[in-house]
Amino acid sequence: KQEVTQIPAALSVPEGENLVLNCSFTDSAIYNLQWFRQDPGKGLTSLLLIQSSQREQTSGRLNASLDKSSGRSTLYIAASQPGDSATYLCAVGTGANNLFFGTGTRLTVIP
Amino acid sequence: DTAVSQTPKYLVTQMGNDKSIKCEQNLGHDTMYWYKQDSKKFLKIMFSYNNKELIINETVPNRFSPKSPDKAHLNLHINSLELGDSAVYFCASSQREGSRGGYTFGSGTRLTVV
Repeated sequence: KQEVTQIPAALSVPEGENLVLNCSFTDSAIYNLQWFRQDPGKGLTSLLLIQSSQREQTSGRLNASLDKSSGRSTLYIAASQPGDSATYLCAVGTGANNLFFGTGTRLTVIP
Repeated sequence: DTAVSQTPKYLVTQMGNDKSIKCEQNLGHDTMYWYKQDSKKFLKIMFSYNNKELIINETVPNRFSPKSPDKAHLNLHINSLELGDSAVYFCASSQREGSRGGYTFGSGTRLTVV
């Protein structure tokens, strides 16, 4: 059974810092990996989708990497801003139309 | 032009009632899902459905049932609501089977059972 773990559970950084969020998964037989952002009381916003054949994806200040063989993904946020404060969720897509979520990293960027 | 929309956003109801949450997607996706986010913020799949197959997570009580009037809608019906059903429910859709195209989520429905 696929298990997804995110470390750290919470992170607080001053504005302007670069930071890395980690995600690990137990079964490397994945279709893709997706990073989401969830603001308090809100839905999930998709940030980046990495297919199993890819090693990274970039969007603006965000860069996500995927190492399928070691079961790891990282989300790199450059030059963090207070508006980046949210919970970041890693989710692994597998067959049978399933998406396994991690427990999230709650990020606070301090002005 | 919301991609995946859910209604209502908030739902407060008494134990024992039957309620429904509606979901619609305008992305032309062929598979839709319901996820439950518990009090610890953990998201877990409840159902996935396309026009061929309904896949039910074995841990979901049979009081929960999805209903799909057409490809763009997947509604969630809950019978005999219990206190433990209180959670945020998310609808989602994907373009292709096996989730190769990634998922799009709705904004969630916060259900509170009193």
